[in-house]
Amino acid sequence: GAVVSQHPSRVICKSGTSVKIECRSLDFQATTMFWYRQFPKQSLMLMATSNEGSKATYEQGVEKDKFLINHASLTLSTLTVTSAHPEDSSFYICSARDPRGGDEQFFGPGTRLTVL
Amino acid sequence: QKEVEQDPGPLSVPEGAIVSLNCTYSNSAFQYFMWYRQYSRKGPELLMYTYSSGNKEDGRFTAQVDKSSKYISLFIRDSQPSDSATYLCAMSSDTYNNNDMRFGAGTRLTVKP
Repeated sequence: GAVVSQHPSRVICKSGTSVKIECRSLDFQATTMFWYRQFPKQSLMLMATSNEGSKATYEQGVEKDKFLINHASLTLSTLTVTSAHPEDSSFYICSARDPRGGDEQFFGPGTRLTVL
Repeated sequence: QKEVEQDPGPLSVPEGAIVSLNCTYSNSAFQYFMWYRQYSRKGPELLMYTYSSGNKEDGRFTAQVDKSSKYISLFIRDSQPSDSATYLCAMSSDTYNNNDMRFGAGTRLTVKP
């Protein structure tokens, strides 16, 4: 299957700082990428849909000024958590659609964010 | 009421047992039903998907969908320690990758040797 990577895998930051998470499709071009958040023992919650070259579409209740998404190329989308607070601590997972045969979504390994 | 309900477990079974994992849902518009497996500290990977009601079998895995009851199941036969993971159900209304895809909370499964 296609490979999606995320960097960093784990980040610890102080409250009030900003954190950038990268999502890359390694062996295919992804016109659409998704960002999810997963709290312990809870579902993956879709935060936003990122389309290359256009503004992201955010789900209801997700602050677009707090979670900045940039999909600058067909293989890279970034999520920046601005002015992070402890309640933003979570597991952030991206996924990308592989247009070769069925648009299957492939998930990245996730980024564990801890805000102190 | 959550759109998708899934018992988070944990579920522990001996090697060789038959495992049954289940989800219920409330949105009758869902047509595509998926099961993902997520190992610790990894992203989910697609195991199986089915469209509408019915059964689908792939090796030791069988997925069942009962739309009339809004109930889906994943059965694992002859379970192996390597099956130990969290299993998430997911469903969507249009295609199996639609943006309205909703996930269950995931059931953590441990298969003991």
